[in-house]
Amino acid sequence: NAGVMQNPRHLVRRRGQEARLRCSPMKGHSHVYWYRQLPEEGLKFMVYLQKENIIDESGMPKERFSAEFPKEGPSILRIQQVVRGDSAAYFCASSSSQGRNQPQHFGDGTRLSIL
Amino acid sequence: DQQVKQNSPSLSVQEGRISILNCDYTNSMFDYFLWYKKYPAEGPTFLISISSIKDKNEDGRFTVFLNKSAKHLSLHIVPSQPGDSAVYFCAASNRDDKIIFGKGTRLHILP
Repeated sequence: NAGVMQNPRHLVRRRGQEARLRCSPMKGHSHVYWYRQLPEEGLKFMVYLQKENIIDESGMPKERFSAEFPKEGPSILRIQQVVRGDSAAYFCASSSSQGRNQPQHFGDGTRLSIL
Repeated sequence: DQQVKQNSPSLSVQEGRISILNCDYTNSMFDYFLWYKKYPAEGPTFLISISSIKDKNEDGRFTVFLNKSAKHLSLHIVPSQPGDSAVYFCAASNRDDKIIFGKGTRLHILP
């Protein structure tokens, strides 16, 4: 399967721990987007990255959340000191370039549960 | 502030009939619109899109209509099939290409 791969699919953390979510884009894709979906809500944009660069992080909470997309390896969404309100499905999408002719392809998400 | 609104949380349609999913938006700067389909425990899958310079785009059983003056778009699926049962997200973007999603409409195709 050459699609967007996210792992883990499910992640359980206790309050105060750190959560690391990984996303490997489709082969040949250098643009990565992270979205969060709360229960009964739509997907909310968090951050847009290209290799080694954060392009737009306007949807990221100012504290505890960070994202990276290193030259080698997957993109990582990191949540420090998790709280109950961080429980959600986190989706990653990738595209081969920016622009309307290149729809974003989504992974199957990571479901984060905070105890 | 919900810029993309899907006012029907769910919709039930008989198999073989037409399914019409509606979407309204408030931001007049949006110039590109998309529909995504999502099955449980999977990521959204791109279905069809439309640019604001058009009022209709068709792809097989799926047609999207755009009414810019009303800031309204709709997705028509005809004929509806059991595999169409899913959550459908309307989405919109402007020149910064950031996609804004609606809350989704759950479509049930009845046998």
